[in-house]
Amino acid sequence: EIVLAQSPDFQSVTPKERITITCRASQGIATSLHWFQQKPGQSPKLLIKDASQSFSGVPSRFSGSGSGTDFTLTIDSLEAEDAATYYCHQSHALPRTFGQGTKVEIK
Amino acid sequence: QITLTESGPTLVKPTQTLTLTCTFSGFSLSTVGVAVGWIRQPPGKALEWLALIYWDDDKRYSPSLKSRLTITKDTSKNQVVLTMTNMDPVDTATYYCALDSGSIFDHWGQGTQVTVSS
Repeated sequence: EIVLAQSPDFQSVTPKERITITCRASQGIATSLHWFQQKPGQSPKLLIKDASQSFSGVPSRFSGSGSGTDFTLTIDSLEAEDAATYYCHQSHALPRTFGQGTKVEIK
Repeated sequence: QITLTESGPTLVKPTQTLTLTCTFSGFSLSTVGVAVGWIRQPPGKALEWLALIYWDDDKRYSPSLKSRLTITKDTSKNQVVLTMTNMDPVDTATYYCALDSGSIFDHWGQGTQVTVSS
């Protein structure tokens, strides 16, 4: 099973800050890594697919990069509505796995 | 417009079997490359993948739960059904179904909460 480790687990930031969340895979997964945003009481929403491709309708302040085992999600100029938990997810191999999540709080 | 809606009991007793239905619209599960998956999330915890069913009826399961899970599809009704046997309080979670387009869960249902308690 491919384990995905996210860091940090929690981040408290002020609006307009730039934040970076990392996801490290226990083995190489090429670019089969996707990022989701989940707000309280809501289902996860796809932000970034295949490591760096923005999903339709996602604001341009969200971007992703990486390949192999190390990936990052960057949110430029954070807005209040970006308060959420972010998860990485790999589809390189079964079983499909998710990271433990990174909770982003807006100060 | 793609939608997925989960339905099923909100409360089950330990040892009972859970049956959840995902009813979808806006896509066909007979289209090559399409799959529907189930994912769950215990309260305050991370997401956990459970199962996938593909357009060609190939089925894949989480190894840790494989003995307890069955996933089926009814293409004519646009439904996917997940059954989980021998429910335990640790199975208390929100259960989601999601469209898997080219190995990407790009559309999710709103989820259904299931509590396991006597």
